[in-house]
Amino acid sequence: EIVLTQSPGTLSLSPGERATLSCRADQSVSSTYLAWYQHKPGQAPRLLISGVSSRATGIPDRFSGSGSGTDFTLSISRLEPEDFAVYYCQQYGGPPLTFGGGTKVEIK
Amino acid sequence: EVQLVESGGALAQPGGSLRLSCAASGFTFSTYVMNWVRQAPGKGLEWISYINTDGHTIYYADSVKGRFTISRDNAKNSLYLQMNSLRDEDTAVYYCARDFGGQAPYWYFDLWGRGTLVTVSS
Repeated sequence: EIVLTQSPGTLSLSPGERATLSCRADQSVSSTYLAWYQHKPGQAPRLLISGVSSRATGIPDRFSGSGSGTDFTLSISRLEPEDFAVYYCQQYGGPPLTFGGGTKVEIK
Repeated sequence: EVQLVESGGALAQPGGSLRLSCAASGFTFSTYVMNWVRQAPGKGLEWISYINTDGHTIYYADSVKGRFTISRDNAKNSLYLQMNSLRDEDTAVYYCARDFGGQAPYWYFDLWGRGTLVTVSS
């Protein structure tokens, strides 16, 4: 099982600032099998990124993903008020699928 | 509207059973692989089970193997999770999630429900 560690646990930023979220795997992630999700309390999680860097339908281009092997990054270029949420990475090289512990992006 | 709606969450005693349901609408349910994912209080997401379109290929996380059973009824556009021998650590919000790829799994999820809360406590 691949263990994903996200950092930081909490990111305190102001609207308009850039957010950089890290996801590190304890072993290499197969091919480009890494996704990112946004989750707000009481709502359904939302797919942002798949294949390390491909934005899902309707996701604004201020969201971008990068990385390879064991180190991956989700960047939000300019935080909008609706971007404050918890973000999870997920590797999907086959079962068991695993998620990171999440990074909470909160308003400073 | 394309959506998934979970139900069946409740308070259960350790060792007890619950059956969760997930109603799909707005898309052709029978052509999509489906999954269950849970989130314990204060914790991250945990994938727990997968079922393919005809129900013949199933996977479980080790944490629930032998206790939980995933199933689906394509005629009713519904996904189920039978949960037996419940433990305190099964307390979580349970989400159903649609695989992006349809019949051929991509193993990531493009549609989720809002979840249903299961609390296991005596």
